[in-house]
Amino acid sequence: DTGVSQDPRHKITKRGQNVTFRCDPISEHNRLYWYRQTLGQGPEFLTYFQNEAQLEKSRLLSDRFSAERPKGSFSTLEIQRTEQGDSAMYLCASSFPRAGDSPLHFGNGTRLTVT
Amino acid sequence: QQQVKQSPQSLIVQKGGISIINCAYENTAFDYFPWYQQFPGKGPALLIAIRPDVSEKKEGRFTISFNKSAKQFSLHIMDSQPGDSATYFCAARTQTGANNLFFGTGTRLTVIP
Repeated sequence: DTGVSQDPRHKITKRGQNVTFRCDPISEHNRLYWYRQTLGQGPEFLTYFQNEAQLEKSRLLSDRFSAERPKGSFSTLEIQRTEQGDSAMYLCASSFPRAGDSPLHFGNGTRLTVT
Repeated sequence: QQQVKQSPQSLIVQKGGISIINCAYENTAFDYFPWYQQFPGKGPALLIAIRPDVSEKKEGRFTISFNKSAKQFSLHIMDSQPGDSATYFCAARTQTGANNLFFGTGTRLTVIP
């Protein structure tokens, strides 16, 4: 399977705990995006990487959130001191760097439940 | 502030019928308008996309109609099938910066056999 892979698929954690998610993009893709999707809503942009550089962060990305893409390949998204409002589906997507003809390919997401 | 407004929220169509989902935007810097299909437990998957220099694009049973002056675009699903039952999202993207997508709120389509 050469699609975007995310791990874990589901994560249940208690409020206040830290969680980390992993995304493996399509190998030829330089750009990697993180989105958050809550129930009944469309995905909302969190941040994106061009290779290993994190080039843009949404205001949704509070200081409890941190994302890395250390070697320009896989990426991790960490949430510290989780809150119930963090419960959502976290989606990763990747694309080629050319904006004109490079659609975003999404993974199947990590569903986070904070109890 | 919702950059892309989508309607209806839900839609029920008989098998063989036409499903129509509408979206509107305000930002004239948007220049790429994709539609994504999402099944429960899965990530969104690109269905069809259009650029504002054309008024219509058709791929199989799926057609996007685009009205640049009205800043509106719509998805038409012809001969709707039960397997089309999913949530559909319109989206819009600018050429500059992150090129990230701004999504609508989604339409849950149910096709009745």
